[in-house]
Amino acid sequence: EAGVVQSPRYKIIEKKQPVAFWCNPISGHNTLYWYLQNLGQGPELLIRYENEEAVDDSQLPKDRFSAERLKGVDSTLKIQPAELGDSAVYLCACSAGDTDTQYFGPGTRLTVL
Amino acid sequence: RKEVEQDPGPFNVPEGATVAFNCTYSNSASQSFFWYRQDCRKEPKLLMSVYSSGNEDGRFTAQLNRASQYISLLIRDSKLSDSATYLCVIGGNFNKFYFGSGTKLNVKP
Repeated sequence: EAGVVQSPRYKIIEKKQPVAFWCNPISGHNTLYWYLQNLGQGPELLIRYENEEAVDDSQLPKDRFSAERLKGVDSTLKIQPAELGDSAVYLCACSAGDTDTQYFGPGTRLTVL
Repeated sequence: RKEVEQDPGPFNVPEGATVAFNCTYSNSASQSFFWYRQDCRKEPKLLMSVYSSGNEDGRFTAQLNRASQYISLLIRDSKLSDSATYLCVIGGNFNKFYFGSGTKLNVKP
């Protein structure tokens, strides 16, 4: 079974530029999470989807971050414009409806210069 | 106060040693508990869930103490390959999960 796929794996951009990350979860996993992880810290939730509905976006900085999961499968997270402090690893995770176990993708390592 | 707190370590132990980590949580209504392992520059991976009665998986034992609001992870007979960061994850209401900052373990030859 294929795992969670994320792309790109690495991204370097200049501040004020836009950037987008893509995630394709495990087939059949209805719950999708986007996390941000800084060095030496645990993942912090940005947004959680149940199918195509964003059920928890309370920690998403909506002035510059947006996300979508239009068909309830893959998802895109966008930052526009990026700031220096956005440099981090962006992790996508998913879980099936009957379990709390989360499966993580390899992450996108973003560097904002 | 943070939702979840862990000692960042590092814990430096020799091969074959027994090592234990604790993780405290602030929400007494927390409902689910996990230990994840994260290798350097890799994604977190589930190590084990933590059940009320405690559970064991080979050399790993996890326990939950609801009264004192902490979970623990015990690793017996440490291997070099156990070197990693161990994240505790606490599930609260409405499927909200809180991650600790992780405890770093270095197992030395």
